[in-house]
Amino acid sequence: ILNVEQSPQSLHVQEGDSTNFTCSFPSSNFYALHWYRWETAKSPEALFVMTLNGDEKKKGRISATLNTKEGYSYLYIKGSQPEDSATYLCASSNTGFQKLVFGTGTRLLVSP
Amino acid sequence: GAGVSQSPSNKVTEKGKDVELRCDPISGHTALYWYRQSLGQGLEFLIYFQGNSAPDKSGLPSDRFSAERTGGSVSTLTIQRTQQEDSAVYLCASSPTGTAVQPQHFGDGTRLSIL
Repeated sequence: ILNVEQSPQSLHVQEGDSTNFTCSFPSSNFYALHWYRWETAKSPEALFVMTLNGDEKKKGRISATLNTKEGYSYLYIKGSQPEDSATYLCASSNTGFQKLVFGTGTRLLVSP
Repeated sequence: GAGVSQSPSNKVTEKGKDVELRCDPISGHTALYWYRQSLGQGLEFLIYFQGNSAPDKSGLPSDRFSAERTGGSVSTLTIQRTQQEDSAVYLCASSPTGTAVQPQHFGDGTRLSIL
């Protein structure tokens, strides 16, 4: 059974702080790693899809890295803003098709 | 363009009743997925459609759950004889062709409450 774990479970930072979260996944038969942002009362929004060991992706102040050999990915937010407050989900696939297994998410709260 | 649309947005029903949840994916997306999130849990995969066929139904929790997709577009998830443990947010997502390297596009979900 594919098990995806995220830490921390929740995080409270001040505006302007930089922060990062961890997603760990089984490295065997790895195919793809997804990151999503899920704001309250909205639908989950895709941030990144990564497949190659050493991949780094960036979208504005948010970036992610991938280590497929050891089975982890980091998501970084530089200079957090209140609008970054959301639950950040990662999901892993160990097949070529999109049966994604999701972690339970990291809930981020950014205070002004 | 239009995103993934789900209806109803909220549903409250009594234990034992049947419910039907609807998902209208992004036009042209051949792959469609159903997930649910129960309180305190992560997103749980339920079923995956490629076109009208469901190659992976492994996540359906019991035979009270069924889903169909017609015309390669709209999908309905049916829960028969609902139980309180079925209370959850049910999310639908679609992607262009269903490969794992494509991001999934989610709807806003249906919040189902079983009394």
